[in-house]
Amino acid sequence: DQQVKQNSPSLSVQEGRISILNCDYTNSMFDYFLWYKKYPAEGPTFLISISSIKDKNEDGRFTVFLNKSAKHLSLHIVPSQPGDSAVYFCAASSSNTGKLIFGQGTTLQVKP
Amino acid sequence: GAVVSQHPSWVICKSGTSVKIECRSLDFQATTMFWYRQFPKQSLMLMATSNEGSKATYEQGVEKDKFLINHASLTLSTLTVTSAHPEDSSFYICSASRQMSNQPQHFGDGTRLSIL
Repeated sequence: DQQVKQNSPSLSVQEGRISILNCDYTNSMFDYFLWYKKYPAEGPTFLISISSIKDKNEDGRFTVFLNKSAKHLSLHIVPSQPGDSAVYFCAASSSNTGKLIFGQGTTLQVKP
Repeated sequence: GAVVSQHPSWVICKSGTSVKIECRSLDFQATTMFWYRQFPKQSLMLMATSNEGSKATYEQGVEKDKFLINHASLTLSTLTVTSAHPEDSSFYICSASRQMSNQPQHFGDGTRLSIL
């Protein structure tokens, strides 16, 4: 039972353009959502998060959008840079457990 | 920012050996730590939640006697893979958070475990 899904295994974007990474979830108890960036053989690095009481959170080039009715969130990176190339994981948790449930990841490649 | 240190980063050992992995939060007290496992090209799978001063909570399908977790202080949790076998070879990652809810978990750099 995959509670958090990232249906696109990979995404390729030209430098300077927008990268949009998508994530869907099924558990309505989730109230906190996060995006992590990961390189091979390293731990994930926290990027940005959003609480279920909001529908948008912005931090520099990164913006996360949350659509609770559709149980969907997305990460927008603009402008994309070659250094953004990595695997991006979305994760969700509920405040009563604190446990993170991860999606399968999307490999982003930003071409110069 | 928060820093989580994990040691060792890479272990190769013979089948039947027990391996201990340490996870330390360096600049904050972590009441809760988490242990994950990642197989190649797959997602991070939560193995257990480690609570300071109490027993760990294991996810379904994770053998408690196989993966021993100790969280004796607010800055250190250890995962011991007992009598490791080749199927235990994986990438193990820990994370720590200050509180249980609505705080990002910060991850260590992981431990690559290879059992021959």
